Amino acid sequence: AQSVAQPEDQVNVAEGNPLTVKCTYSVSGNPYLFWYVQYPNRGLQFLLKYITGDNLVKGSYGFEAEFNKSQTSFHLKKPSALVSDSALYFCAVSPRGSNYKLTFGKGTLLTVNP
Amino acid sequence: DVKVTQSSRYLVKRTGEKVFLECVQDMDHENMFWYRQDPGLGLRLIYFSYDVKMKEKGDIPEGYSVSREKKERFSLILESASTNQTSMYLCASTLGGGAYNEQFFGPGTRLTVL
Repeated sequence: AQSVAQPEDQVNVAEGNPLTVKCTYSVSGNPYLFWYVQYPNRGLQFLLKYITGDNLVKGSYGFEAEFNKSQTSFHLKKPSALVSDSALYFCAVSPRGSNYKLTFGKGTLLTVNP
Repeated sequence: DVKVTQSSRYLVKRTGEKVFLECVQDMDHENMFWYRQDPGLGLRLIYFSYDVKMKEKGDIPEGYSVSREKKERFSLILESASTNQTSMYLCASTLGGGAYNEQFFGPGTRLTVL
């Protein structure tokens, strides 16, 4: 069975500084990997995904993530954080050939301080 | 843009009541999902449907049932609501064809069972 770990419940960064939200996964075979963001009182929004090819994936709002197969990680990054990036971030994994089932991490609350 | 709507943003019900949560998507997606979101637990899949009248259990189906009579509509039913079903419920949809397609989420229904 697949699983996702987001080791930090909360991440705090200053505006303008780089941010990293960590994600590691466990799945049989090669995975599809996703990041979603949830702003207060809203549903989840898709940020980016890794399917195949280049390990560095670029997504919405200036976010990017790097797939590292040897470390089974898919950390989310942004070079310069904005206050408006403050939200709850979820990493998710799905094995190839699966029945569309995504397994989500528990979420990381990102707070960007002015 | 894909739009996923849920019938209520907030709902308060009493223990033992039968509760219906409705979800509608307007992009002709084959797959639809119901999740519940609880603090510290992330998103957990209750049920999903990959076609009209087809359904599969997710990770936590106990106490829930679903109905998909039309492609655009997916209903979650709590046969006899209990206080431990107080939660945020999120509906999502995605294209068929593979687990690499991102899911599109509704705004959520916050259900309180008294």
